[in-house]
Amino acid sequence: GAGVSQTPSNKVTEKGKYVELRCDPISGHTALYWYRQSLGQGPEFLIYFQGTGAADDSGLPNDRFFAVRPEGSVSTLKIQRTERGDSAVYLCASSLLGVASEQYFGPGTRLTVT
Amino acid sequence: TQLLEQSPQFLSIQEGENLTVYCNSSSVFSSLQWYRQEPGEGPVLLVTVVTGGEVKKLKRLTFQFGDARKDSSLHITAAQPGDTGLYLCAGASTNTDKLIFGTGTRLQVFP
Repeated sequence: GAGVSQTPSNKVTEKGKYVELRCDPISGHTALYWYRQSLGQGPEFLIYFQGTGAADDSGLPNDRFFAVRPEGSVSTLKIQRTERGDSAVYLCASSLLGVASEQYFGPGTRLTVT
Repeated sequence: TQLLEQSPQFLSIQEGENLTVYCNSSSVFSSLQWYRQEPGEGPVLLVTVVTGGEVKKLKRLTFQFGDARKDSSLHITAAQPGDTGLYLCAGASTNTDKLIFGTGTRLQVFP
């Protein structure tokens, strides 16, 4: 079956621009997570959805970051007024029930802010 | 803030050698997971340990969860080039429904 997919795979944008990153989770998975990973580091938690609602957004670094999951499936991570420090790989994961069940990760979107 | 420190950060060994990766925290976790990540891909789950003192084996990999559920180790016997990758531990918080990832150990196994 299809795994978690993320688009685009790579995104280069200029400082100050707005970007949207998309995640398509595994069908039927109610939990969806966004992480940010810098080179050689472990993923850093950003936000967790259970269904359509953000159950925990404590990892979002500031109000330039926002994520939605309007129909409980596809999610979009939105970054306003991008900064060079936002450059990283943004990973999405989904799981059937939440942290108690296995998380399946997508390949990530590599964001580069110039 | 819950932190998971992994050591060593980098490990470069010859095929056939044994190695151990450590994952330590001052916090208690309800469970701990180990992942392996290859370049350009997302992490892939290797194992989940839940009970303090639990030991799980996956072929040449042995995982142990500390008695106090604050630390874990991954031991690889007779490493092979296919074991090369970034190894990540991740703790499930007792208070929130999210994973805290460790700092990562990058393993390179040379033939």
